[in-house]
Amino acid sequence: GENVEQHPSTLSVQEGDSAVIKCTYSDSASNYFPWYKQELGKRPQLIIDIRSNVGEKKDQRIAVTLNKTAKHFSLHITETQPEDSAVYFCAAKARNQFYFGTGTSLTVIP
Amino acid sequence: DAGVIQSPRHEVTEMGQEVTLRCKPISGHDYLFWYRQTMMRGLELLIYFNNNVPIDDSGMPEDRFSAKMPNASFSTLKIQPSEPRDSAVYFCASSLAGRAMNTEAFFGQGTRLTVV
Repeated sequence: GENVEQHPSTLSVQEGDSAVIKCTYSDSASNYFPWYKQELGKRPQLIIDIRSNVGEKKDQRIAVTLNKTAKHFSLHITETQPEDSAVYFCAAKARNQFYFGTGTSLTVIP
Repeated sequence: DAGVIQSPRHEVTEMGQEVTLRCKPISGHDYLFWYRQTMMRGLELLIYFNNNVPIDDSGMPEDRFSAKMPNASFSTLKIQPSEPRDSAVYFCASSLAGRAMNTEAFFGQGTRLTVV
C-alpha cells in the first residue's frame, strides 16, 4: 500500500518568514494530494490540494508543488502569521483511500 | 449540508464498558472513513466503507473494535470491551468518488474518548 512520509515533525518560524513542509509518497497510483490544517481541538480541514496532472498551485500565501517523477510534494506558506500556527497534514489519495503523513506542528513566533 | 456529524463529542467511560461512536456522513458521499488520532501515532485509518460496504478493515486494532454502516447516512464504531489504551480522538470522514475522482475527505468534529 501507499506510504506517506512527512518532514519536519515540528517547525518554528518568525512571523513574516516562510515555512516549507515536505512529503513523499510511494504509490504511483496516487493522483490527488490534499493538505489539511488542524487547529488545537478541532477537525482537520482542507487548505489546498493538487491533482497529479498539475505541478504547482497557489492560493494567496499558500502554494503546493508536486514532482510526480520523484514522488515529492511540498507545502509553502509565505509571510507567516500567528494564526498559521497549527498541525499540518499532507495526504495522498490512491484507489479512493487517503493516506496521511504524520503531521507537522508549525509554530509562528510573533 | 451540515457536514459530517459525529456523536458524542466527548465520552468518558470505565474500562470494560461498551462504547459506541456514531457518524452521519455528508449526503451523497459514497466513501466513509473512521480514523483514530493520538499524539504517538497520528491519524490512523481504522476502516473505510464504499456504498455502505466495508472495503478495508486492516487498520482495526483487534477484535474489540467493530464498525457497521447499515445505510448511506449512518455508521457506528463500537469498542467492546473498552481499555484505557483506546483513549484517543476518533474522527469520521466522508468523500465523494465516482466521476469526481479527486475530492477531499471531509472530517467530522471528532469524538474524544477517555477510558478510565
